[in-house]
Amino acid sequence: GENVEQHPSTLSVQEGDSAVIKCTYSDSASNYFPWYKQELGKRPQLIIDIRSNVGEKKDQRIAVTLNKTAKHFSLHITETQPEDSAVYFCAAIVYNNNDMRFGAGTRLTVKP
Amino acid sequence: NAGVTQTPKFQVLKTGQSMTLQCAQDMNHEYMSWYRQDPGMGLRLIHYSVGAGITDQGEVPNGYNVSRSTTEDFPLRLLSAAPSQTSVYFCASSYDGYSWEQYFGPGTRLTVT
Repeated sequence: GENVEQHPSTLSVQEGDSAVIKCTYSDSASNYFPWYKQELGKRPQLIIDIRSNVGEKKDQRIAVTLNKTAKHFSLHITETQPEDSAVYFCAAIVYNNNDMRFGAGTRLTVKP
Repeated sequence: NAGVTQTPKFQVLKTGQSMTLQCAQDMNHEYMSWYRQDPGMGLRLIHYSVGAGITDQGEVPNGYNVSRSTTEDFPLRLLSAAPSQTSVYFCASSYDGYSWEQYFGPGTRLTVT
């Protein structure tokens, strides 16, 4: 089955800096790649996603890029704010496979 | 809409006990799933359902059973609890297999002693 690896496991940045989290996947048939944010003690919530027919997607300070050849995708957060502090999870799935695999998570800390 | 609800929020079981974690959604979503979350391991899929009467195994199904008699409800049963099942359990739902935005419930923290 699909295997998703996520790096780094922890990331600390100064407020206003950029943060980048990277994920690799093993199944070249995977075609949907979401990113979830989980604040302490809360449920995961989708923040952005990308499908395999798109190379990049932006939503205000958040962007995701996808390199299908290398089988990796990345989350970019610009102008980080303390409220961006959370655990971020990437995931990958093959459409119609129904078995979504998540990375192990990255704990992002934004220092004021 | 209440979204995805889960009960109980916390539960302590003794080894060998059985119990059912409840999950319900009021968004008329076809797809529902159960994940467990352990430190450093992300979310791992236990079982999922693509509609009433249809269930299938995910990555870590052993020790758990599910059923889907209605669109709204998707209970997870622990047959004989083991300490290795100590975890936080999340139920999630999405409209269908294409849109794929999963809405998670608030979670159930289960401790097995």
